[in-house]
Amino acid sequence: DGGITQSPKYLFRKEGQNVTLSCEQNLNHDAMYWYRQDPGQGLRLIYYSQIVNDFQKGDIAEGYSVSREKKESFPLTVTSAQKNPTAFYLCASSIPGGFETQYFGPGTRLLVL
Amino acid sequence: EDQVTQSPEALRLQEGESSSLNCSYTVSGLRGLFWYRQDPGKGPEFLFTLYSAGEEKEKERLKATLTKKESFLHITAPKPEDSATYLCAVQGEETSGSRLTFGEGTQLTVNP
Repeated sequence: DGGITQSPKYLFRKEGQNVTLSCEQNLNHDAMYWYRQDPGQGLRLIYYSQIVNDFQKGDIAEGYSVSREKKESFPLTVTSAQKNPTAFYLCASSIPGGFETQYFGPGTRLLVL
Repeated sequence: EDQVTQSPEALRLQEGESSSLNCSYTVSGLRGLFWYRQDPGKGPEFLFTLYSAGEEKEKERLKATLTKKESFLHITAPKPEDSATYLCAVQGEETSGSRLTFGEGTQLTVNP
């Protein structure tokens, strides 16, 4: 079955630690996205990538980094510079070029110890 | 800058009591308006895409409609399993990439 997988489901971060969230898709989509969701708030875009080896900052990129070495994978690193990382992180993918629907993974909940 | 406002923030219905959720938007040329359903602790599930004013789409008890300034998600004779948060998002013509702007959602509870 085609879809998007995210791992882990829950992730705990210690202060000063970098952590990486995994996102893999087998939908053959070129574009991938990372969103952050806080309670009572809409989804906010962190980074997006329309093609391998290229990515752009979204609205809240500070304290995060990404890579796009393979079409299927778009990992997100939450660095120690992100002072308020506790949130629900969602990965999505789509066919780029406008009008295309974004499909979401199941999410990763990041908690700070 | 694209903006999306959803109302109400929360809605509680009795089973079978029909109602509508509102999504007001501001974009410089609408490329698409999207509705998603999100269950607690899960990723959003795609429901509909609307592209132009006057367009309507239906799926089971849900019907989405679009005007030049807002979209409505009509829920007819809802059941408890329709309880979820419903998210609206827009993509504008001047938006770079295929990025979406989301509203904060409407949390729907349907009581048996």
